[in-house]
Amino acid sequence: TQLLEQSPQFLSIQEGENLTVYCNSSSVFSSLQWYRQEPGEGPVLLVTVVTGGEVKKLKRLTFQFGDARKDSSLHITAAQPGDTGLYLCAGYKLSFGAGTTVTVRA
Amino acid sequence: NAGVTQTPKFRVLKTGQSMTLLCAQDMNHEYMYWYRQDPGMGLRLIHYSVGEGTTAKGEVPDGYNVSRLKKQNFLLGLESAAPSQTSVYFCASSYSTSGIGEQYFGPGTRLTVT
Repeated sequence: TQLLEQSPQFLSIQEGENLTVYCNSSSVFSSLQWYRQEPGEGPVLLVTVVTGGEVKKLKRLTFQFGDARKDSSLHITAAQPGDTGLYLCAGYKLSFGAGTTVTVRA
Repeated sequence: NAGVTQTPKFRVLKTGQSMTLLCAQDMNHEYMYWYRQDPGMGLRLIHYSVGEGTTAKGEVPDGYNVSRLKKQNFLLGLESAAPSQTSVYFCASSYSTSGIGEQYFGPGTRLTVT
């Protein structure tokens, strides 16, 4: 049983569309991280959220940490093919979610 | 500045064979980790180290051993490989384990056990 549940498992959209991926847990996290992994490479950190209700923006990516610090979301506006990859959330005790595979079609 | 490097990149083993995966980092990080990544399972922590000469078990340590003789190196050993150990193995390092510290990952080693 994983501490962090990510949904959906797969997401395929057209370039220019918006998308949201979710990371949920029954546990409270002191902090939560989002990573992106491209095929054949290791994950790379996108952001760390620490405070409940926190919203962070990274260009077209918006990250939100739930008020109760049990969930988080990643929203991508006007997705581009370069956003294609596996998105992973990570939290307490070095636990990772199973990831959401995002494919953006040109 | 190479970051985190892993050798080898690919390896095929027969059941019962042994091997060692090498991870090296040049960022002077205290903390190092070994994960395995399987389809639909995400990254699972095998072992980790909080400093030279120390190691600790992670979520899935059975069948693996590790050593951290030098601060910059973290070795993962398989004494008797099994098909269930077919996976992609990632090494990572960080300044801390607090959950706030960024983990830097290597490019991975793809291991197949037949």
